[in-house]
Amino acid sequence: QQQVKQSPQSLIVQKGGISIINCAYENTAFDYFPWYQQFPGKGPALLIAIRPDVSEKKEGRFTISFNKSAKQFSLHIMDSQPGDSATYFCAASITSGTYKYIFGTGTRLKVLA
Amino acid sequence: GAVVSQHPSRVICKSGTSVKIECRSLDFQATTMFWYRQFPKQSLMLMATSNEGSKATYEQGVEKDKFLINHASLTLSTLTVTSAHPEDSSFYICSARGPGNTEAFFGQGTRLTVV
Repeated sequence: QQQVKQSPQSLIVQKGGISIINCAYENTAFDYFPWYQQFPGKGPALLIAIRPDVSEKKEGRFTISFNKSAKQFSLHIMDSQPGDSATYFCAASITSGTYKYIFGTGTRLKVLA
Repeated sequence: GAVVSQHPSRVICKSGTSVKIECRSLDFQATTMFWYRQFPKQSLMLMATSNEGSKATYEQGVEKDKFLINHASLTLSTLTVTSAHPEDSSFYICSARGPGNTEAFFGQGTRLTVV
């Protein structure tokens, strides 16, 4: 019940295309859902995050879509660029208590020039 | 965003020795710090959660006597890998969260190689 399932494992997109990564969770107590971008040999960096009272959040080329009833959320990267090539992790957290993050398994994105 | 500095970025140590990794929050008070371990091409595995001034809470399966965590101040937490073995070689990442914040900020990670 603490798992966050992420798909696909890897993704190849042409420059200018849309990259879509999906995550699903079981624990309805989760109330904070961030997405992180990680480059090789570096720590993760926060891209965008959403709370379950909002169905969509957009920041620049990055959009989170959130479906509370389906317990799913997704990251859309519009106009994907080669510099977006990285590993993306979704996460879920309960904002009361220890607040620890449960991470998805990661998606390795490659954007072709 | 806030800055979390992790040091060293890379360390090589001999089997049987201990190595200490530092995690500092540079511009905020980190009431909670988290330590993760990441194997190549895998996700982040939470090792332990520490609150300032309290003992760390370790995740199931993580040896607390092997991975010593100290969170003595609001800006510094340390992870000491004791009696390191080659299987402890991994990428270790810390993150920190301030009071009332939803976001956790990550350090740049430490690549530990035990030879």
